[in-house]
Amino acid sequence: GQSLEQPSEVTAVEGAIVQINCTYQTSGFYGLSWYQQHDGGAPTFLSYNALDGLEETGRFSSFLSRSDSYGYLLLQELQMKDSASYFCAVLMNYGGATNKLIFGTGTLLAVQP
Amino acid sequence: GAVVSQHPSWVICKSGTSVKIECRSLDFQATTMFWYRQFPKQSLMLMATSNEGSKATYEQGVEKDKFLINHASLTLSTLTVTSAHPEDSSFYICSARGGTSGPENYEQYFGPGTRLTVT
Repeated sequence: GQSLEQPSEVTAVEGAIVQINCTYQTSGFYGLSWYQQHDGGAPTFLSYNALDGLEETGRFSSFLSRSDSYGYLLLQELQMKDSASYFCAVLMNYGGATNKLIFGTGTLLAVQP
Repeated sequence: GAVVSQHPSWVICKSGTSVKIECRSLDFQATTMFWYRQFPKQSLMLMATSNEGSKATYEQGVEKDKFLINHASLTLSTLTVTSAHPEDSSFYICSARGGTSGPENYEQYFGPGTRLTVT
C-alpha cells in the first residue's frame, strides 16, 4: 500500500515563514504535488516536483528528496488568506494504465495576526 | 486555466434513494476523470478512476455496485450513489486530466465538490 504523512496542524503569524513536511511510502512514484484547500472548497494546485531539489513559485517553494521519500512546502511572507489545509499528493502508478494522485493526511495551517 | 464544474453543489436525500452527481470539464477534453470522497477534516480519498468510454477502476474497499460511475464523453462523468445511507454523507469531489497518461502530465483540475447529506 501507500502512505503519506503530514503534521496535522501548524500555526504561524503573519509575515512569518512556515514549512510543511511530507513523508511518503509508495511504489510506482512519479512525483510530489502540493494542493491548497480552503474550507468547503476545491483543492487548488500549488506545485509539482518530479526531480530532487527546490522549486520556487512566488511566495511558495516546494522541495523533494526522492532518496529520503520526503518533501516539504515552504510558505514565505505568510498572509491571513494562507489559512487553509495543505495536502501533499503523490502522482503514482500501481499497475494500471492510468497515473493516479493519492493525497496525504493534510495539514491545517492557521495564520494569526 | 482549466475549469471543472460539478452539479449539484449540495444535495439532501432520504435513506434508500439514489443520487446522481455530474462532473463536467468546461474548456478541455478530460481523457481521465477521478472521483474522491472527503469526510470533515480528513483527506481526499480516491474512490475510482475512469477513462472515457471504458469501465471505471475502483480503489480497494469501494463498492462498485454502490457507486456507479459513467464517463460517457470527454467532458462528462457521473457518479451515482445508489441506495444511499447516512454513512454515505460526505463531500464528493471530481477531478479531471486531459492529454496523455504519461508522468509528464501531472496536473489535475478539481471541481468545487458536492456535499451529500443522507437523512
